[in-house]
Amino acid sequence: QKEVEQNSGPLSVPEGAIASLNCTYSDRGSQSFFWYRQYSGKSPELIMFIYSNGDKEDGRFTAQLNKASQYVSLLIRDSQPSDSATYLCAVANAGNMLTFGGGTRLMVKP
Amino acid sequence: NAGVTQTPKFQVLKTGQSMTLQCAQDMNHNSMYWYRQDPGMGLRLIYYSASEGTTDKGEVPNGYNVSRLNKREFSLRLESAAPSQTSVYFCASSETPSTGDEQYFGPGTRLTVT
Repeated sequence: QKEVEQNSGPLSVPEGAIASLNCTYSDRGSQSFFWYRQYSGKSPELIMFIYSNGDKEDGRFTAQLNKASQYVSLLIRDSQPSDSATYLCAVANAGNMLTFGGGTRLMVKP
Repeated sequence: NAGVTQTPKFQVLKTGQSMTLQCAQDMNHNSMYWYRQDPGMGLRLIYYSASEGTTDKGEVPNGYNVSRLNKREFSLRLESAAPSQTSVYFCASSETPSTGDEQYFGPGTRLTVT
């Protein structure tokens, strides 16, 4: 069974700090990796995706992928209270079926 | 452009009752998906439709049926609801079924089965 694991948190960081969110996956055939943000009571929204090993930056967000270690991470620089949410890691396999981790709850304290 | 819409937003059922969750998208997407999300867990795929006229089982299909009514609409039916089906249900769509194509999510349906 394909698994995606995340620490459920909460991860608490002060405003302005870097938040580091981690995710591991079990299926070596996984091809695409996504980070979704989900506010309480809302639907997931895509914030980053990454396909290749290395780093990908988009504004305050950086996704990192290490396929050899089966590890994906998301860094949020200059964290803001509005970043407080649950972050879901998702892995796509053939047919665009997503397998999600349980999510990490991030709390950014002013 | 409403994106992905779902009805109803909330529903309470008694054990054994049936109901259909509706999903529609106006983005001319080919692929549509149904997920469920339980507390503390990520989303799990129930069924998906890669294109109009096709449907396939996902990770947790038992107790559900789906219909891809046309390119826009993808419905999820619970024939005999059970308390274990209490969950939040999300519909999503993507332009193609290609691996990695972004999925856009609807607002969700919160279902309680008593």
